[in-house]
Amino acid sequence: AQKITQTQPGMFVQEKEAVTLDCTYDTSDPSYGLFWYKQPSSGEMIFLIYQGSYDQQNATEGRYSLNFQKARKSANLVISASQLGDSAMYFCAMREVMDSNYQLIWGAGTKLIIKP
Amino acid sequence: DVKVTQSSRYLVKRTGEKVFLECVQDMDHENMFWYRQDPGLGLRLIYFSYDVKMKEKGDIPEGYSVSREKKERFSLILESASTNQTSMYLCASSFLGQAGSTEAFFGQGTRLTVV
Repeated sequence: AQKITQTQPGMFVQEKEAVTLDCTYDTSDPSYGLFWYKQPSSGEMIFLIYQGSYDQQNATEGRYSLNFQKARKSANLVISASQLGDSAMYFCAMREVMDSNYQLIWGAGTKLIIKP
Repeated sequence: DVKVTQSSRYLVKRTGEKVFLECVQDMDHENMFWYRQDPGLGLRLIYFSYDVKMKEKGDIPEGYSVSREKKERFSLILESASTNQTSMYLCASSFLGQAGSTEAFFGQGTRLTVV
């Protein structure tokens, strides 16, 4: 079974609109971390935001916020006021504490295209 | 700034060749990883290393080997390249630290084409 599911292969959004990228996860580990990365066409993976399973508040980093719904096992990325430079692939990933080697488990990604 | 550097952005190799992909990081990270990325499949872990001379198989180690002789350098080796190894290869590193909070830093990727 997939541990990280990103159900949106691609999205088109008008510039300046907010966008939500979906991510659901599956784990039996009570302690885990969730990450979002951005991959522009240049290929480099850029870390955006992190949410710990015990964090009480949703993580925020500038225009990025993580809508963490633990009971639903959902960790959606919200980008406010989208910009043309936000066009990229976005990946959700999870790390489980039970995994002693701390590997990241990755979703298949969502291609986001911002329209001017 | 953390710097993870992969030796090549683009490589074209012939079937059967031995291929070396090099990765160097300058932040004294314990963990280093090699992934391949294919459309619709996300990132799949090939091998990782948590210390010098230590290595662990990831999800898809077949056809690959790795070498970590120094902490800062992690090499991926394709012993005999095949066309199904045409892919984007990404190297990453991270501190060993607490599992939940330690993000991985990535290199710029190597797009390998095997003909």
